[in-house]
Amino acid sequence: DVQMTQSPSSLSASVGDRVTITCRTSRSINIHLNWYQQKPGKAPRLLISMATSLQSGVPSRFSGSGSGTDFTLTISSLQPEDFATYYCQQSYTTPTFGPGTKVDIK
Amino acid sequence: EVQLLESGGGLVQPGGSLRVACAASGFIFSSHAMSWVRQAPGKGLEWVSLIRGGSDVIEYADSVKGRFTISRDNSKNTVYLQMNSLRAEDTAIYYCAKGQEIYSTFDFWGQGTLVTVSS
Repeated sequence: DVQMTQSPSSLSASVGDRVTITCRTSRSINIHLNWYQQKPGKAPRLLISMATSLQSGVPSRFSGSGSGTDFTLTISSLQPEDFATYYCQQSYTTPTFGPGTKVDIK
Repeated sequence: EVQLLESGGGLVQPGGSLRVACAASGFIFSSHAMSWVRQAPGKGLEWVSLIRGGSDVIEYADSVKGRFTISRDNSKNTVYLQMNSLRAEDTAIYYCAKGQEIYSTFDFWGQGTLVTVSS
């Protein structure tokens, strides 16, 4: 199995801040990396697939980068509706999720 | 509009069985892989099982292999998860999720159904 780590596990930020979340995998997955957002009591929402491909309807302040084993999700200017938990997930082999990064209000 | 509606969750005793279902609409169901993903209370996401459109490829997480069975009925646009020999650690919200062309990328999710394993 491909093991996933995320850092940080949580962060506190203010509206307007630039936020970066990192995901690392135990072996190369090319660009088969997805990012999801989950708000309390809600199902996850796919934000980015294949490391960089923004899904329809997702605001352009979200972006993804990386390949191989190191990936990044960036929110260029944090908005009130972005406070949530973010998960990375690899689709290269049997799917696995990262442990999540909780983004809350400073 | 894609919709996924899970049903069948509930309280079951350890060692018991339960079948959850997910009714899909708004897309060509038979053309897409479907997965079950679970989330224990206060915990992260765990992929459980996947079935491709023609049921030709089925995969399970090691944690449920031999106990859970995924199936689908394309005539009813429904995917199922039969859960046997349930354990306390299987307690979770169970989400069904639709696969994209990369079939283990999950682009739409249901609202989830809660399965509680307790005596």
